[in-house]
Amino acid sequence: DTGVSQDPRHKITKRGQNVTFRCDPISEHNRLYWYRQTLGQGPEFLTYFQNEAQLEKSRLLSDRFSAERPKGSFSTLEIQRTEQGDSAMYLCASRPMGDTQYFGPGTRLTVL
Amino acid sequence: KQEVTQIPAALSVPEGENLVLNCSFTDSAIYNLQWFRQDPGKGLTSLLLIQSSQREQTSGRLNASLDKSSGRSTLYIAASQPGDSATYLCAGQYGNKLVFGAGTILRVKS
Repeated sequence: DTGVSQDPRHKITKRGQNVTFRCDPISEHNRLYWYRQTLGQGPEFLTYFQNEAQLEKSRLLSDRFSAERPKGSFSTLEIQRTEQGDSAMYLCASRPMGDTQYFGPGTRLTVL
Repeated sequence: KQEVTQIPAALSVPEGENLVLNCSFTDSAIYNLQWFRQDPGKGLTSLLLIQSSQREQTSGRLNASLDKSSGRSTLYIAASQPGDSATYLCAGQYGNKLVFGAGTILRVKS
């Protein structure tokens, strides 16, 4: 399967713990996006990478959140000192030179 | 502020019916408008993408239209099937990001 993959698919953690999610984009897609989706809502943009450069960050991305894309390949999203309000589905998408974004299956985070 | 609204929030129809899902956006400086399908607990699958210079796109039983002047898009599904049951999301692309509506939950009854 050559689609976007995300790991883990599910994560349950206690409030105050740190968590890290990984996204592997489709090969040769130079653009990578992170979104967050809460129940009953559409995804909300978090951040955007072109190759290894993080070019845009949403105000939703507080200082507890950090994203990286070393070497312009896979990306990680870390949340420090998790709060119950961080519970959501975290979606990754990649995009080639065209306009369509290809989404991964998401990581569902539950903060107890 | 860029906002996208979808109506209705939920729709239940008998199999075989034609249906229309509506999407409206507040900022007409849209680069393109995309429709996605999301199955429960899953990621998003792209259905149709309409460039800002286009009026409509078709794929199989799906037809999407775009009217920038009125800030509206519609997704038309012909001859609906139970397998079409899912959440349908529209999103406007502004710069580097997609701005999504909350979605329409569609149920097609057999």
